[in-house]
Amino acid sequence: DVKVTQSSRYLVKRTGEKVFLECVQDMDHENMFWYRQDPGLGLRLIYFSYDVKMKEKGDIPEGYSVSREKKERFSLILESASTNQTSMYLCASGWSGVRELFFGEGSRLTVL
Amino acid sequence: QQQVKQSPQSLIVQKGGISIINCAYENTAFDYFPWYQQFPGKGPALLIAIRPDVSEKKEGRFTISFNKSAKQFSLHIMDSQPGDSATYFCAAFKAAGNKLTFGGGTRVLVKP
Repeated sequence: DVKVTQSSRYLVKRTGEKVFLECVQDMDHENMFWYRQDPGLGLRLIYFSYDVKMKEKGDIPEGYSVSREKKERFSLILESASTNQTSMYLCASGWSGVRELFFGEGSRLTVL
Repeated sequence: QQQVKQSPQSLIVQKGGISIINCAYENTAFDYFPWYQQFPGKGPALLIAIRPDVSEKKEGRFTISFNKSAKQFSLHIMDSQPGDSATYFCAAFKAAGNKLTFGGGTRVLVKP
């Protein structure tokens, strides 16, 4: 079975703190994605990566950055967390040219 | 501006009834339309998908109907069961750009 693991299920941070969310997949997928899930807004794409050290902005990249130093690992970074970044963050991965995405269980971030 | 609009936001149906979720899209460059199912505490998982050259696809109790001229597609859950209670997301994929755009989600509750 494909496994996408998000290291932290629940985090509580303070405004201005730096936040790291890590995601690891075990299927040698080329593509990895970070989405944000909010009620009524569905899943919105923050950043994605087609290959190691490659990254592209999604629809809502402001306030976020990413890092992909190894093929299996994709990290989402909030340089200075703000309360409007309180949300559920979902990591996903997939093979290049294949349209199915495999999701992790999510990281619920609360910024106070 | 949501490129994929989904309705309703929530739905309550009796066991054995039919659940219907509708989606509309704007961009004619989308060429693949999946539905994802998400249970509480889990990440979304692919349920069923359709390409625009097909008007209907059925897998078990789940059917996608697709209307290319109207730029609309819908998910029908026949003989709904309490185990179908979940949040459902429609999505659209654009090969150029290699990314999925999701609708806002529909929370379905099937009452026994």
